[in-house]
Amino acid sequence: ETGVTQTPRHLVMGMTNKKSLKCEQHLGHNAMYWYKQSAKKPLELMFVYSLEERVENNSVPSRFSPECPNSSHLFLHLHTLQPEDSALYLCASSLRTDHGYTFGSGTRLTVV
Amino acid sequence: EDQVTQSPEALRLQEGESSSLNCSYTVSGLRGLFWYRQDPGKGPEFLFTLYSAGEEKEKERLKATLTKKESFLHITAPKPEDSATYLCAVKSGANSKLTFGKGITLSVRP
Repeated sequence: ETGVTQTPRHLVMGMTNKKSLKCEQHLGHNAMYWYKQSAKKPLELMFVYSLEERVENNSVPSRFSPECPNSSHLFLHLHTLQPEDSALYLCASSLRTDHGYTFGSGTRLTVV
Repeated sequence: EDQVTQSPEALRLQEGESSSLNCSYTVSGLRGLFWYRQDPGKGPEFLFTLYSAGEEKEKERLKATLTKKESFLHITAPKPEDSATYLCAVKSGANSKLTFGKGITLSVRP
């Protein structure tokens, strides 16, 4: 365990479903991130939260909705996804946004 | 815009055969270059951070070096357990985010 816990580890959902991914860290970090990892592509940053405030949204479709209720928890709410959204979704945290990241193990999402 | 290019895309080595992985980057004001290791089905695991040209860091069989244009991850006498994907990422003064390369998949045969 890295100190960043993601649940569930695997998720299969239909295009009309609504689901949420959860990320939790107790490292005392102040910044949290959502990344998307697809085969043969670099990790793509989706959202950045610093001190529970969203500081970056990288042109992510509105069918992905992040939530950061406190500095230890981060959610990614999913609705009406497309098959091309199937990927490994990684959560990460850092002490500050200019520090290295600690990653969770990811949620493998399959949209059918 | 920050850019990171890693090469080769994949590398196969015999156990004990030393080699190097390359990470070329273009950034505006480097604030850190990061190396991560990623095993299948897991998230990236932090290895090193390098901040300025000429800096070197070592951990077991791995040694990371940095110039103004690229970084190398040298693997000395690799073992099968070193097989993984190695990711390089940069952070610049203009961004609060890490920009990643596509990664290099290393396979070490016994």
